[in-house]
Amino acid sequence: EAGVAQSPRYKIIEKRQSVAFWCNPISGHATLYWYQQILGQGPKLLIQFQNNGVVDDSQLPKDRFSAERLKGVDSTLKIQPAKLEDSAVYLCASSLGDSPYQPQHFGDGTRLSIL
Amino acid sequence: DAKTTQPTSMDCAEGRAANLPCNHSTISGNEYVYWYRQIHSQGPQYIIHGLKNNETNEMASLIITEDRKSSTLILPHATLRDTAVYYCIVRASNFGNEKLTFGTGTRLTIIP
Repeated sequence: EAGVAQSPRYKIIEKRQSVAFWCNPISGHATLYWYQQILGQGPKLLIQFQNNGVVDDSQLPKDRFSAERLKGVDSTLKIQPAKLEDSAVYLCASSLGDSPYQPQHFGDGTRLSIL
Repeated sequence: DAKTTQPTSMDCAEGRAANLPCNHSTISGNEYVYWYRQIHSQGPQYIIHGLKNNETNEMASLIITEDRKSSTLILPHATLRDTAVYYCIVRASNFGNEKLTFGTGTRLTIIP
């Protein structure tokens, strides 16, 4: 079974620029999550999708962050404009979604550095 | 989600059993205990989860105390590849509350 795919693996941009990350979940997984992991901390949920609908985006800074999962499969997370404090690893995870007990499977993330 | 407390770091000799403790004294009846680990430069990896019974899979064993206020993850024969940050998470079991709330975890170092 192929895992969660994320790209790019690394990204370096200057502050105030825009950036986008892509995630392809495990085939058949209805639930998709985006997490932000700042150095030295555990991951923090940004947004959760069930198919193409948003379940939880309470921690997403909506003035600069946006995410979509238009066809209920792959997803993009965008930051516009980026700030220095956005430097972090952005992790995508997916789960089957047919039970609240299902474990989440994570990709290896995109490491974003803001100059 | 209930809060968990874990030691900041631990060492274990290669080939020995690694026992990682976790306190979750405010856990409620419908919350499960999950364990994930994160190897350097990788995403978190699911290990095991349980409600009140002890659980075992090919990676580890999970021992939950009878009062459910604490648990221990056991890696029976630690190898160098088990060096990672281990996260203990309590999580509600209803739809709409599937998010994982990570703390800072325990940094486990396996010593040759």
